[in-house]
Amino acid sequence: QVQLVESEGGVVQPGGSLTLSCVASGFSFGSYGMHWVRQAPGKGLEWVAAIWSDGGSKYYADAVKGRFSLSRDNSKNTVYLQMDSLGAEDTAVYYCARRGNPSFFDYWGQGTLVTVSS
Amino acid sequence: EIVMTQSLATLSVSPGDRATLSCRATQSVSNSLAWYQQKPGQAPRLLIYGASTRATGIPDRFSGSGSGTEFTLTISSLQSEDFAVYYCQQYDDWPLTFGQGTKVEIK
Repeated sequence: QVQLVESEGGVVQPGGSLTLSCVASGFSFGSYGMHWVRQAPGKGLEWVAAIWSDGGSKYYADAVKGRFSLSRDNSKNTVYLQMDSLGAEDTAVYYCARRGNPSFFDYWGQGTLVTVSS
Repeated sequence: EIVMTQSLATLSVSPGDRATLSCRATQSVSNSLAWYQQKPGQAPRLLIYGASTRATGIPDRFSGSGSGTEFTLTISSLQSEDFAVYYCQQYDDWPLTFGQGTKVEIK
């Protein structure tokens, strides 16, 4: 069955950096685009970024453009979200999700909490 | 940016009753609309895509309708496990955007 497992988040100081990873199994990873979606505590869902199956196309929400960067290693079935210049507004549970065709989210990881605080 | 609006923040429904949730887009998204269910402490789960196609394993008491700017998710007879928050999401244009969610609670 499809499984997506995010790496552990954690507490990061304002202005700091963190890289999240998401390991996929149960499907042909190299054939699917992947997304990251976040959810601030007690709030709704916010799409963050997407990367296409070959890594050639990437899309970012305005709120993270220039600070977050997506990459993937299809040999390791892994997608990465590098987050720089983190601020309190980035505190959220981060979910990786598989791209349904064309761009909904058909499978989700369990999520990982990133807290930006001094 | 396409803004998605779910008109009800909370919907109180008795078990066995029908629930009707709405979602409106600020511009046409054709049928590029998905619905998700989220229970406390869990990841969202895809229910509906293409405005009306049920995802794999979703019971037929869940149905979606609409196109353009107006969409509806109907739960025909609410079961105990259906009390949750429901989100709509458009994927017609970037950035992908969600509604703010409707919480379906027990009346």
